[in-house]
Amino acid sequence: QSALTQPASVSGSPGQSITISCTGTSSDVGSYNLVSWYQQHPGKAPKLMIYEGTKRPSGVSNRFSGSKSGNTASLTISGLQAEDEANYYCSSYAGSSTYVVFGGGTKLTVL
Amino acid sequence: QVQLQESGPGLVKPSETLSLTCAVSGYSISSGYYWGWIRQPPGKGLEWIGNIYHSGTFYNPSLKSRVTISVDTSKNQFSLKLSSVTAADTAVYYCARLKSTGYYSDYWGQGTLVTVSS
Repeated sequence: QSALTQPASVSGSPGQSITISCTGTSSDVGSYNLVSWYQQHPGKAPKLMIYEGTKRPSGVSNRFSGSKSGNTASLTISGLQAEDEANYYCSSYAGSSTYVVFGGGTKLTVL
Repeated sequence: QVQLQESGPGLVKPSETLSLTCAVSGYSISSGYYWGWIRQPPGKGLEWIGNIYHSGTFYNPSLKSRVTISVDTSKNQFSLKLSSVTAADTAVYYCARLKSTGYYSDYWGQGTLVTVSS
């Protein structure tokens, strides 16, 4: 059982926007602005899409954005494209005992 | 460009020790950042294993008793040892660079599948 809770799947049509939630606790997501999001295509290594809650690495499309409210972080993808179909994982710093926790992952299907 | 490459046996017997190495190119591991391991059982999600940095190591509490991460700065590589493995340790093992101020992994290896079976 993963420390952070994500929906198992979400879907959307090309051009639409979708949001993936990542719910933690006051010990991780709620206490730190250190949520990151990763995109993983089948058979590939994860790719960093968002770090420190809202920041995008160089080269990542501005269609990807992150936010947080309380113990829940969110990843929004606007203008869905077929290439966005992948699994998405959230991660958070969880303090100096647990350090790093992941969500169980969300499969995004572009219809 | 920073690149990481895992290597090691793809098959380990139950109760034995899993050993993997991650060779880093394009960046000196003694220059900073945390370096570590993340695994993914087949068809499942990601699980953080642990990291090493200049001052020490920190591990997933659920794996801490079985995990050792070490570094060889002369070869610019770091290693993972996981003892007393069972079938539950079968996974793709990734090495990755972790940003110390944000606890996010910006560079990953391609991953290597390790199967625990007799």
